Amino acid sequence: DGGITQSPKYLFRKEGQNVTLSCEQNLNHDAMYWYRQDPGQGLRLIYYSQIVNDFQKGDIAEGYSVSREKKESFPLTVTSAQKNPTAFYLCASSIGTGDSGANVLTFGAGSRLTVL
Amino acid sequence: AQKITQTQPGMFVQEKEAVTLDCTYDTSDPSYGLFWYKQPSSGEMIFLIYQGSYDQQNATEGRYSLNFQKARKSANLVISASQLGDSAMYFCAMRDLIKAAGNKLTFGGGTRVLVKP
Repeated sequence: DGGITQSPKYLFRKEGQNVTLSCEQNLNHDAMYWYRQDPGQGLRLIYYSQIVNDFQKGDIAEGYSVSREKKESFPLTVTSAQKNPTAFYLCASSIGTGDSGANVLTFGAGSRLTVL
Repeated sequence: AQKITQTQPGMFVQEKEAVTLDCTYDTSDPSYGLFWYKQPSSGEMIFLIYQGSYDQQNATEGRYSLNFQKARKSANLVISASQLGDSAMYFCAMRDLIKAAGNKLTFGGGTRVLVKP
């Protein structure tokens, strides 16, 4: 079945360490996204990528980095520069970024990062 | 800038009854799309329903319907015949179709629904 796989599901990190969250999709989608969710709040966009080897900052990109070397993969690195990294991270993909309003995002199951 | 407001932090609903979740939005873009997602305790976001700003009719998908009032800038979700499995967080989201680069969605803060047997 097609879908988005995020790993690990739970991750603990010490302060000052970088950590990379994996996101893989087999939906043949062109666009991929990373969102952050804090307890009791909605999602905020970190980075997005419309095509391979290209990505743009979202609303809260500081302290994060991404790469898009393959269509299927869009890993997110949470760096030590991110001051409050404890959160739930959701990866998503969509067919494209065209003008069709019904271009629906498909989400993965999420990764929960806790900084000790 | 886009803004989505969900004023109900939490709601109880009796099984088999209908429930309405409020969503208001603000945008200067004349063309936009409105989405509702469900997030169960497992964390995954599940797409429920979509409404385009120029759609003439309110969207429906099974037990979900969207009460779209463009002049009031509201896009309320109605869940009919609630089931225990409907207990979850529900998020309203919007995408500006002209100004927004990429397929960026802006999300509201969510409403938690608990269905009582």
